[in-house]
Amino acid sequence: GESVGLHLPTLSVQEGDNSIINCAYSNSASDYFIWYKQESGKGPQFIIDIRSNMDKRQGQRVTVLLNKTVKHLSLQIAATQPGDSAVYFCAESSGGGADGLTFGKGTHLIIQP
Amino acid sequence: NAGVTQTPKFRILKIGQSMTLQCAQDMNHNYMYWYRQDPGMGLKLIYYSVGAGITDKGEVPNGYNVSRSTTEDFPLRLELAAPSQTSVYFCASSAVRSNSPLHFGNGTRLTVT
Repeated sequence: GESVGLHLPTLSVQEGDNSIINCAYSNSASDYFIWYKQESGKGPQFIIDIRSNMDKRQGQRVTVLLNKTVKHLSLQIAATQPGDSAVYFCAESSGGGADGLTFGKGTHLIIQP
Repeated sequence: NAGVTQTPKFRILKIGQSMTLQCAQDMNHNYMYWYRQDPGMGLKLIYYSVGAGITDKGEVPNGYNVSRSTTEDFPLRLELAAPSQTSVYFCASSAVRSNSPLHFGNGTRLTVT
C-alpha cells in the first residue's frame, strides 16, 4: 500500500537553534497530514495538522509546510528546548475513510545543550 | 479528564497464552483504533471501530480480535500469543470520521517469550 516515510532517523540540534524534520509521502490522494510527538514511554501527542488545501500552518513555535507537488511535508520547531527531545512522526489520511492514519517511521530529535 | 486509558502498562506472556488489552475513553468518541508499534517503526493499524457493535480490520489484524459493546470500551484480544506479537500497543480515539487528530493512550508494552 501507500506509505509515509521520513528522510532521517535521528536529528541532533543545539538548544536554541531551529529544527526541521522532513517527511515524504507517496499517496497522491492524501488530503490530511499531521505531526505527532512521542516521548519515551508515552503515547503520541498531537502537535499540528494541515489539510491539503493549505501549504503552511503555524502554531506555537511550530510550523508545518506542505508541498503537494513533490509530496513533501516538514515540521519546523523554532528555538528548540530540552523538552523538545522526542520522536516525531508524520501521518496522513486519504480522506473520507474512517480507518485512521498512516504513520511514517519517525525521527528522533536530540537537543544538545 | 482521563482521555484514553490503557491497561495494563506492561505484560509478559508465554507463547500460546492469551490475554486482553483494555482500552477505555471518556470523551464519548465514536471512532476507536488499535495500533502496534515495533522498535524503530511507525504505528501500524490492527483494528478499528466506527461505533458500538461495528469493527473492521486494519493493516495487521492476524492473531488479534476486538469487540465494541459500548462506546467507551474497545478491548483487544490475543488468543494464542506468539513472539511476533511482542510490541507496544496503542489505543486511540477520534470524535469524527476522518481528517482529525487521534487521541492516544500511553500504551501497553507486551513481551511474548
